Amino acid sequence: QSALTQPPSVSGAPGQRVTISCTGTSSNIGAGYDAHWYQQIAGTAPKLLVFGQNKRPSGVPDRFSGSKSGTSASLTITGLQAGDEADYYCQSFDTDLSGWVFGGGTKLTVL
Amino acid sequence: QLQESGPVLVKPSETLSLTCSVSGYFISRGYFWGWVRQSPLRGLEWLGNIHHDGGTNYRPSLKSRLTLSMDTAKNQFSLRLTSVTAADGAMYYCVRIAAARTYYFDSWGQGALVSVS
Repeated sequence: QSALTQPPSVSGAPGQRVTISCTGTSSNIGAGYDAHWYQQIAGTAPKLLVFGQNKRPSGVPDRFSGSKSGTSASLTITGLQAGDEADYYCQSFDTDLSGWVFGGGTKLTVL
Repeated sequence: QLQESGPVLVKPSETLSLTCSVSGYFISRGYFWGWVRQSPLRGLEWLGNIHHDGGTNYRPSLKSRLTLSMDTAKNQFSLRLTSVTAADGAMYYCVRIAAARTYYFDSWGQGALVSVS
């Protein structure tokens, strides 16, 4: 069982907006550690998508945004595109582990 | 850019060794460097990291079997996992670990698929 909990799947039509939740605990997100987000397209390595206080690496469109509140974080994708179909993972630091933890991943299907 | 290399098939009870070759940045200059593995059973799992000054941090459950090292002359860092079992079969990624307010994995290798059999 992952330290960070994500829904197994979400879906949306092209152009729509979807939100993926990431529920943590008082030892990770709730302790003040940021949640970071990764996109993994089938057959490839994860790629950093959103980090820190809603920052994006060069080349990631502003359709992708992150937020945090309490022990949870969210990734919002607006203007869904077929190319957004992928698995999305959240990640944070966990004081109980003294290391980094990931969510179980959410599969996004663009209908 | 990061690139993993090493045997893709390891026998149970033997040692898994992987090397990550880094290009475009000297690992001795900074950052943490680490390993993450991914399997259907365990998902994405941080294994450990090594600092540019050689300091290490390991996942507690693997601490007795895992050793990370760095060769700055070759601009490589390595993973050594002893006494492997079928549960260690996974895709192994080497990563660069950067920091904003907290740490995140900003660069990933393409992965090395390791089977234990």
